[in-house]
Amino acid sequence: NAGVTQTPKFQVLKTGQSMTLQCAQDMNHEYMSWYRQDPGMGLRLIHYSVGAGITDQGEVPNGYNVSRSTTEDFPLRLLSAAPSQTSVYFCASSRTGPPMNTEAFFGQGTRLTVV
Amino acid sequence: QQPVQSPQAVILREGEDAVINCSSSKALYSVHWYRQKHGEAPVFLMILLKGGEQKGHEKISASFNEKKQQSSLYLTASQLSYSGTYFCGQGAQKLVFGQGTRLTINP
Repeated sequence: NAGVTQTPKFQVLKTGQSMTLQCAQDMNHEYMSWYRQDPGMGLRLIHYSVGAGITDQGEVPNGYNVSRSTTEDFPLRLLSAAPSQTSVYFCASSRTGPPMNTEAFFGQGTRLTVV
Repeated sequence: QQPVQSPQAVILREGEDAVINCSSSKALYSVHWYRQKHGEAPVFLMILLKGGEQKGHEKISASFNEKKQQSSLYLTASQLSYSGTYFCGQGAQKLVFGQGTRLTINP
């Protein structure tokens, strides 16, 4: 059982480059989300999706785009990377969406450095 | 808006007890608790639902006070394996987390 799979695990980008962080889950979960984790800031929600074709902004959406064309995949796009986007990114999924009463499963994270 | 956790860090000796608090400015429907070991992904501990009972997980339990919009995580007779950062999460439409509480257990 793969659970939530994120790729790549590590990435170094130059300022201004774009890239896509991949996230896939094989549990048929409705709800998927992206977080970034910075020291002392906890897990901050970037974007989330309550089902295929439906996405919405979280707490820190600027500089990121998402789409959800299938239930399984929820890629995160960095449009023009900036050093402030250096962080560890986690993708998570839950069996159901609101009102958020089922556990979240996290991927292993992507460590992104923007130079 | 992120829930607020306190304290930010705790250092204990093995066998001691700890309490981690989580409060929100918004009405809570549910509260999630997760633990993250260094370099790893967060792992689910428990969910408390509005009107639900206090939950337990081994020697870790939690309470949920809907009126005060607060939850507390209780770690009893802590073990070395309890070390890590604990996060509370809440939200009706989306899941947002507090800033975390770093727990260090020393032998």
